[in-house]
Amino acid sequence: GAGVSQSPSNKVTEKGKDVELRCDPISGHTALYWYRQSLGQGLEFLIYFQGNSAPDKSGLPSDRFSAERTGGSVSTLTIQRTQQEDSAVYLCASSLAGLVGTQYFGPGTRLTVL
Amino acid sequence: AQTVTQSQPEMSVQEAETVTLSCTYDTSESDYYLFWYKQPPSRQMILVIRQEAYKQQNATENRFSVNFQKAAKSFSLKISDSQLGDAAMYFCAYRSPSFAGNTPLVFGKGTRLSVIA
Repeated sequence: GAGVSQSPSNKVTEKGKDVELRCDPISGHTALYWYRQSLGQGLEFLIYFQGNSAPDKSGLPSDRFSAERTGGSVSTLTIQRTQQEDSAVYLCASSLAGLVGTQYFGPGTRLTVL
Repeated sequence: AQTVTQSQPEMSVQEAETVTLSCTYDTSESDYYLFWYKQPPSRQMILVIRQEAYKQQNATENRFSVNFQKAAKSFSLKISDSQLGDAAMYFCAYRSPSFAGNTPLVFGKGTRLSVIA
């Protein structure tokens, strides 16, 4: 079946603009995660959604970052008033619920803030 | 909070040879899950292998195997018969168990593996 998809693949924006990044999880996966991969910083958790529960936003770096998940499927990560330090690859992953819940990743969106 | 350390930023191996990538972690939990992911230049994170902490037997997937030492909190990845397609960044990751739902992965900073023809 289809894997996790993300769009756009690359996004270049100017400092101060808002951007939206999209993630389509694997069909049937109830858990969805956003991670950020910065040069030299590794991968850091941003936010996760589990079914209809309130999302865990504990990893969001500032209130300029927000995310929503509509209909328990597609998710959008929004970054308002982008800053140069927001430049990174944003990875989305999804998994089935359960103790193991192996996460499967999308190809990521590379965001460049000029 | 849990932490994952990969002490080898870069490694290289000759084609057909064996290489071992190191990973250590810090946790106070007794049950957890450990993963190795591969990230080629395409950016796609690909699951290589998974280990449940309650299992004493080391996981294996074809040419990939782990050496899981729970007391030492060590989780190394061995790649046998290395192939050019194995060249990538390798990330070690930790996840806490959760009956309520899933929990996020905690990643190491990665090891870049080069395969020399």
